[in-house]
Amino acid sequence: DAGVIQSPRHEVTEMGQEVTLRCKPISGHNSLFWYRQTMMRGLELLIYFNNNVPIDDSGMPEDRFSAKMPNASFSTLKIQPSEPRDSAVYFCASSLMGSTDTQYFGPGTRLTVL
Amino acid sequence: EDKVVQSPLSLVVHEGDTVTLNCSYEVTNFRSLLWYKQEKKAPTFLFMLTSSGIEKKSGRLSSILDKKELSSILNITATQTGDSAIYLCAVGRSNDYKLSFGAGTTVTVRA
Repeated sequence: DAGVIQSPRHEVTEMGQEVTLRCKPISGHNSLFWYRQTMMRGLELLIYFNNNVPIDDSGMPEDRFSAKMPNASFSTLKIQPSEPRDSAVYFCASSLMGSTDTQYFGPGTRLTVL
Repeated sequence: EDKVVQSPLSLVVHEGDTVTLNCSYEVTNFRSLLWYKQEKKAPTFLFMLTSSGIEKKSGRLSSILDKKELSSILNITATQTGDSAIYLCAVGRSNDYKLSFGAGTTVTVRA
């Protein structure tokens, strides 16, 4: 299995630009999670989906952040407009709902907003 | 609000030493506690613990859960430089599938 796939791996953009991060979960997993990790705040859950449906988005910091999961094999996290304080590593993780809590993480996208 | 507290925040040891990491939690509807290792990339899964007193072991790593004390320890024996990483503790609840993560313990193993 290829594991969780994220793209891009690195993104550098200017303040005010739109950023779209992509994630492909492990095939057969029906829960998907977006996290943000910074030195100051550690690993924070932004949003999670079960069977493509957003269940809890209470971690999404502002309306500038949005996430979609149009099908079981693809999700996006969009930031519009981006700000320097959004600079972080964004991880996507997936798990098999109802079977285990174990979440498998993708390699992350390192976002730098100048 | 759920709390997951790890200690120490960081430590430095020499190769061959034994390391003990702690994780304590305050979570409603506790279901499981997980340990992850994070090197310079994504967290990788180590253990999931659901029952008190049952040790899980993988090579030089072992972990045990104490539900009465609301805590868990992760032991690493005969440490090697490759064990240098951030070790994350996370707790899962029975009413949803979210994990609440601690801040992590940074372990540095010097040759």
